[in-house]
Amino acid sequence: AQSVTQLGSHVSVSEGALVLLRCNYSSSVPPYLFWYVQYPNQGLQLLLKYTTGATLVKGINGFEAEFKKSETSFHLTKPSAHMSDAAEYFCAVSLMMDSSYKLIFGSGTRLLVRP
Amino acid sequence: NAGVTQTPKFRVLKTGQSMTLLCAQDMNHEYMYWYRQDPGMGLRLIHYSVGEGTTAKGEVPDGYNVSRLKKQNFLLGLESAAPSQTSVYFCASRKQGANTGELFFGEGSRLTVL
Repeated sequence: AQSVTQLGSHVSVSEGALVLLRCNYSSSVPPYLFWYVQYPNQGLQLLLKYTTGATLVKGINGFEAEFKKSETSFHLTKPSAHMSDAAEYFCAVSLMMDSSYKLIFGSGTRLLVRP
Repeated sequence: NAGVTQTPKFRVLKTGQSMTLLCAQDMNHEYMYWYRQDPGMGLRLIHYSVGEGTTAKGEVPDGYNVSRLKKQNFLLGLESAAPSQTSVYFCASRKQGANTGELFFGEGSRLTVL
């Protein structure tokens, strides 16, 4: 079975500081991995994804994530936090069920950015 | 281009009442999904559809029914609402060829059951 674990339900950083949001997955096959962002009172939007190829993936708004198979991790980073990055972030893994792909989400990490 | 539109955005029900949430997408996507979002639990899949006229159960289907009579619409029904169904519901869709699972989400429908 595949699952996703996000370490830390809340992460607080100062504006300009490094952002690191952790995600570990369990999968019996090479996974497709995603990070989604949810701003207040909005739906989820795709931040970045890993499917195949380069393990360092760049997304929107300066975020990037690295797929590390040996560590079964897909941590999300941004060198310098901005106030507008305050949101909830969800890691997800794609699971094949009944001949189609389903996304299984982690429980989410709320990022707080202090001025 | 509206993308994925959910109606209503807010609703308050009494226990035992019924209601239907409507999801409409204008991207000609084959696959559609209903998720519920609860604090600390992420998103959990309720039901999904791989095409017009087909539906299937997800992780937490009990207490819900769905229908996909038209390709662009996916309805989520609660026949007899319970307080445990208080949640934010998200509809999502994707194109059949996008086998990596990338989804496009609506803005959510907040349901409170008293």
